[in-house]
Amino acid sequence: GQQVMQIPQYQHVQEGEDFTTYCNSSTTLSNIQWYKQRPGGHPVFLIQLVKSGEVKKQKRLTFQFGEAKKNSSLHITATQTTDVGTYFCAAPPNSNSGYALNFGKGTSLLVTP
Amino acid sequence: EAGVTQFPSHSVIEKGQTVTLRCDPISGHDNLYWYRRVMGKEIKFLLHFVKESKQDESGMPNNRFLAERTGGTYSTLKVQPAELEDSGVYFCASSRLSGTSGAAYNEQFFGPGTRLTVL
Repeated sequence: GQQVMQIPQYQHVQEGEDFTTYCNSSTTLSNIQWYKQRPGGHPVFLIQLVKSGEVKKQKRLTFQFGEAKKNSSLHITATQTTDVGTYFCAAPPNSNSGYALNFGKGTSLLVTP
Repeated sequence: EAGVTQFPSHSVIEKGQTVTLRCDPISGHDNLYWYRRVMGKEIKFLLHFVKESKQDESGMPNNRFLAERTGGTYSTLKVQPAELEDSGVYFCASSRLSGTSGAAYNEQFFGPGTRLTVL
């Protein structure tokens, strides 16, 4: 199945700065999901994107799905210390698998006050 | 509603021993998944149950791993015999059964994980 490549691996920002993490796939994705894992915690679902070019917003978080459905991004505006954690993108290995997810390696975000 | 629970939270065993991990999904969730995260690596899919049936076990590393979900409720993942490379955090997740594959709305709820250390 396809792998999702995620960059950067780490990001350290000052509180108030913006943050973006990117996911890329060599093949077309049926959908992509984003999860957040706080230090010592477990992945928590944030959103699922299905449509080509889709953009969804959750307060300061903006999620995009590329026109070709091969890439996605998560952008956080004006980071806060509560945004600290690892952000993962995840997608089904192939169009027929449906429910299983391949996760990217994650981007660990550190926000200093 | 109660979340996904996993037991134990930590397990330290010696190479060659057997360990059984348990997962209780959210009530009513027919889909149950096992994932593993080895330190420094990404979260890897192991297998997927729909009710009591194994829908996809393509991620199981080898035949030392055996997963069951008798009765379609809780699931167990047994590692026998355990090897050093089996160390990591084992996550269980569950989701509702809805829609068609691929485009299904498939929010997965993760448990807190079991941290397995094989010495």
